[in-house]
Amino acid sequence: DVKVTQSSRYLVKRTGEKVFLECVQDMDHENMFWYRQDPGLGLRLIYFSYDVKMKEKGDIPEGYSVSREKKERFSLILESASTNQTSMYLCASSGAGTGELFFGEGSRLTVL
Amino acid sequence: EDQVTQSPEALRLQEGESSSLNCSYTVSGLRGLFWYRQDPGKGPEFLFTLYSAGEEKEKERLKATLTKKESFLHITAPKPEDSATYLCAVQAAGGSYIPTFGRGTSLIVHP
Repeated sequence: DVKVTQSSRYLVKRTGEKVFLECVQDMDHENMFWYRQDPGLGLRLIYFSYDVKMKEKGDIPEGYSVSREKKERFSLILESASTNQTSMYLCASSGAGTGELFFGEGSRLTVL
Repeated sequence: EDQVTQSPEALRLQEGESSSLNCSYTVSGLRGLFWYRQDPGKGPEFLFTLYSAGEEKEKERLKATLTKKESFLHITAPKPEDSATYLCAVQAAGGSYIPTFGRGTSLIVHP
């Protein structure tokens, strides 16, 4: 089975802190994604990557950056966390040319 | 621009009461339509992919169907454990492989 593992299920951070969310997939997938999910707004794409060291902005990249140094690992970075970044963050992966996404369990971030 | 609209936003059923969820889409050539199930506090879980009008897929009490404009997720004799949010997504042919998601239908099945 495809497994996408997110490093933290729950995090509480203070405004201005730097936050790292890590995601690892074990199916040798080319594509990896970071979404945030908020009630009433659905899934919103932050960044995606189609290859190592490659990244593309999604719909809401402001305030976020990403890193993909290895094929299996995709990290989301909040350089200076703000309260409006309190959300559920979901990582996903997919094979080249396929549309089926496999999601991790999610990381619920609270910024105080 | 690709669009996906799911209805209803929320649905409450009694156990055993069959119903359908709708996913209407606008896309310039459909490559695939996907259904996911999401339990509270967890990531979405992939259910089905449909590729062409007339195609159907089944899994236990769920059956997904596809036309040129919409997809239905039929739930037959639902049980409380079918309670979840169901998400629909489409992928356009010839374009980005990034799927466009609907906002989902929250289903609650009462015992």
